[in-house]
Amino acid sequence: NAGVTQTPKFQVLKTGQSMTLQCAQDMNHNSMYWYRQDPGMGLRLIYYSASEGTTDKGEVPNGYNVSRLNKREFSLRLESAAPSQTSVYFCASSEWTGPYYGYTFGSGTRLTVV
Amino acid sequence: DQQVKQNSPSLSVQEGRISILNCDYTNSMFDYFLWYKKYPAEGPTFLISISSIKDKNEDGRFTVFLNKSAKHLSLHIVPSQPGDSAVYFCAASGTGYGGSNYKLTFGKGTLLTVNP
Repeated sequence: NAGVTQTPKFQVLKTGQSMTLQCAQDMNHNSMYWYRQDPGMGLRLIYYSASEGTTDKGEVPNGYNVSRLNKREFSLRLESAAPSQTSVYFCASSEWTGPYYGYTFGSGTRLTVV
Repeated sequence: DQQVKQNSPSLSVQEGRISILNCDYTNSMFDYFLWYKKYPAEGPTFLISISSIKDKNEDGRFTVFLNKSAKHLSLHIVPSQPGDSAVYFCAASGTGYGGSNYKLTFGKGTLLTVNP
């Protein structure tokens, strides 16, 4: 019953450091997503994976890379963190529920870059 | 270019009164609309949805109205309760399996505060 699990929940990075945010879902969903939430900006799509083996850029992909490791896991990597990447990051997965895709979100990773 | 707009960043209402949250969209290809609710330190959770073939959908205290000609939808919460205090996101997509319909476009959210 875990749904979408994100690790870590909190992280502080120094400018220029790298890290990978992990996401795993146990609902056998095909599609997975990474969003960031910033004050006054809502949820913005960083990258998504429509199905295992595919990834595509979303609205704000610069500074990020992703890997769809298998159907369950979708990771987000910051190669050289910048203060502008301070945000709350949400992973989500979706399934066809007819007539639309139902999303399940993780509880988020709060990242601070100093 | 913002395709889903929530122009009110915040809304404050008294317990027991009606809360009305508004959302506008510009993309005519959208024909399915959803509302998500988000508490602090949690991920968004699905609240209610409506298809463009309907103008109203009701679920308990929550009702969503759609005015397709005006590209406007609203979420009504009656009566409002303190536990409803959260950020509400409006989202939109196309209908049907496949294509790009698995991608949701979200508004910026409205913070609702229900005062006891």
